[in-house]
Amino acid sequence: AQSVTQLDSQVPVFEEAPVELRCNYSSSVSVYLFWYVQYPNQGLQLLLKYLSGSTLVKGINGFEAEFNKSQTSFHLRKPSVHISDTAEYFCAVEDDYKLSFGAGTTVTVRA
Amino acid sequence: NAGVTQTPKFQVLKTGQSMTLQCAQDMNHNSMYWYRQDPGMGLRLIYYSASEGTTDKGEVPNGYNVSRLNKREFSLRLEPAAPSQTSVYFCASSQDGGTGNTIYFGEGSWLTVV
Repeated sequence: AQSVTQLDSQVPVFEEAPVELRCNYSSSVSVYLFWYVQYPNQGLQLLLKYLSGSTLVKGINGFEAEFNKSQTSFHLRKPSVHISDTAEYFCAVEDDYKLSFGAGTTVTVRA
Repeated sequence: NAGVTQTPKFQVLKTGQSMTLQCAQDMNHNSMYWYRQDPGMGLRLIYYSASEGTTDKGEVPNGYNVSRLNKREFSLRLEPAAPSQTSVYFCASSQDGGTGNTIYFGEGSWLTVV
């Protein structure tokens, strides 16, 4: 079974500063990787996903992530955050028909 | 655009009572899922249904049962409810699991067992 580790549980960041959320996964086979965002009191929505091809994946709201097979990582980045990016972010790996999620990273953007 | 709809949104139960969380999707998806979300633990899969007529256990199935009523509907039953089942429950669906398809989530059901 796959496992996902999100290395930071909380990331405070100032508005217009860059942010990076770290994600590592365990796998010995090819994987599909995802980042989801959860705004307060809402369900999860997809930010981006990696299936194959280019290792740099661009998603919605200016987010991007880089797949690194040798380091088994899929870190999420945004060059300049907004107050509205305050949310919880989940990294996930698809394994045998289902997603396995990391514990989540709470991003708090301050003015 | 309804997407994935789950009911109820909030529920308080007494220990030992039973209840069913309902979920329906209007995207003609084959696969459906039930997750629970607890602080610091991310989302954990309770049960999933790869296609109509099939259901399988996920990571934390104990204390739950599911029914894939038809292609649209996938219900989760707690019987009997226990305080450890206090959580936020999410139903989700995808076109087909295991192929990198996007999984779409409902807005969640907040359940408290006292």
